Amino acid sequence: QVQLVESGGGLVKPGGSLRLSCAASGFVFSDFYMSWIRQAPGKGLEWLAYVSPGSHTIYYVDSVRGRFTISRDNAKESLYLQMDSLSAEDTAVYYCVREGLYSYDTSASVHWGQGTLVAVSS
Amino acid sequence: EIILTQSPATLSLSPGERASLSCRASQNIVRNLAWFQQKPGQAPRLLIYGASTRATGVPPRFSGSGSDTEFTLTISSLQSEDFAIYYCQQYNNWPPGRTFGQGTKVEIK
Repeated sequence: QVQLVESGGGLVKPGGSLRLSCAASGFVFSDFYMSWIRQAPGKGLEWLAYVSPGSHTIYYVDSVRGRFTISRDNAKESLYLQMDSLSAEDTAVYYCVREGLYSYDTSASVHWGQGTLVAVSS
Repeated sequence: EIILTQSPATLSLSPGERASLSCRASQNIVRNLAWFQQKPGQAPRLLIYGASTRATGVPPRFSGSGSDTEFTLTISSLQSEDFAIYYCQQYNNWPPGRTFGQGTKVEIK
């Protein structure tokens, strides 16, 4: 079955950096769009960024563009999120998400990891 | 950017009752809408995609309807495990991005 396991979260000081990883299994990772979505404590869902199967297309929401970098390694079946210049507003649970029902599909956010908590505080 | 507005913010119902949740889009998104259920401490779970197609394993008491800008998620008879927060998501203009509604909490009356 599809599994997405995030790691790399933790406590970081304002202005600091963190790199999140997501290990995927149970599907052909190289065929699917992948995204990061976050949820601040007690708040709703915010889609952050996506990367196409071959990394040719990448897009970010305005709030993280220029600070966050999404990437993937298809050989390692892994997704990454490099987060720089972090602020308290970035405190959230970060979810790794497989987009689409089948290969190269761009429909709904179908499979979600359990999330990793990032806390930005001095 | 397409804005999704969910209503009501909170729905207080008893087990066995029918729940109707609304999601309104600021632009025509055809039928490119999904619904998710989220329970405390858990990741969201896909319920409905394409406005009305149930995802794998979703009970038939969950149904979705609507098109263009008006969408509804209906739970025909609430079970104890259905009390949760529900989000809609549009994927009509993706890329570049997706957006979510702010959520509707279904709580026990």
